[in-house]
Amino acid sequence: DAGVTQSPTHLIKTRGQQVTLRCSPKSGHDTVSWYQQALGQGPQFIFQYYEEEERQRGNFPDRFSGHQFPNYSSELNVNALLLGDSALYLCASRGLAGTSTDTQYFGPGTRLTVL
Amino acid sequence: AQSVTQLGSHVSVSEGALVLLRCNYSSSVPPYLFWYVQYPNQGLQLLLKYTSAATLVKGINGFEAEFKKSETSFHLTKPSAHMSDAAEYFCAVTFSGGYQKVTFGTGTKLQVIP
Repeated sequence: DAGVTQSPTHLIKTRGQQVTLRCSPKSGHDTVSWYQQALGQGPQFIFQYYEEEERQRGNFPDRFSGHQFPNYSSELNVNALLLGDSALYLCASRGLAGTSTDTQYFGPGTRLTVL
Repeated sequence: AQSVTQLGSHVSVSEGALVLLRCNYSSSVPPYLFWYVQYPNQGLQLLLKYTSAATLVKGINGFEAEFKKSETSFHLTKPSAHMSDAAEYFCAVTFSGGYQKVTFGTGTKLQVIP
């Protein structure tokens, strides 16, 4: 079992650019969530995808958008990058609520640096 | 609204000493509670979780936590610290079922002194 995988591991962009981060969930999981972890902070929930739809969203602007594919993998897109978007972006997956797979597991993250 | 508060952003213990990391939660409904560990430049690894079964939860690497509803606490303990326990620890809360988001605390960095 490969667990949750994310790509790329590191990314450097300049202000105003757009970025796409990718996530493959753990085998057997169908729900993917994205988190932003700024340096020295706890992860902040961005949004969650289930059945290819956004089900929950945190306090992030519309510049942050996502997508989930039929194979449950997901993308996070950030437009018009700001310096403050520099952070570790974590993807997490879980299975059906109330089942043995209903525990969230995290990927290693993508470190985004905006210059 | 749900939230967790971790008391102490930095905790130092001697190798072999008791580890105690504090977490208090706020929730209007019965919570699910988690402890995660994060090593430098890595993602989060689940240590243990409470999902309304036994109040004393045992996790990996010798860690355990006790859910105390009267104190709204879920403190993490380990009887004897090891050098490899040095990392950042996050307490998190969510609710059962559906598409509930997970809310994290600000983290506690554990230093183990040889």
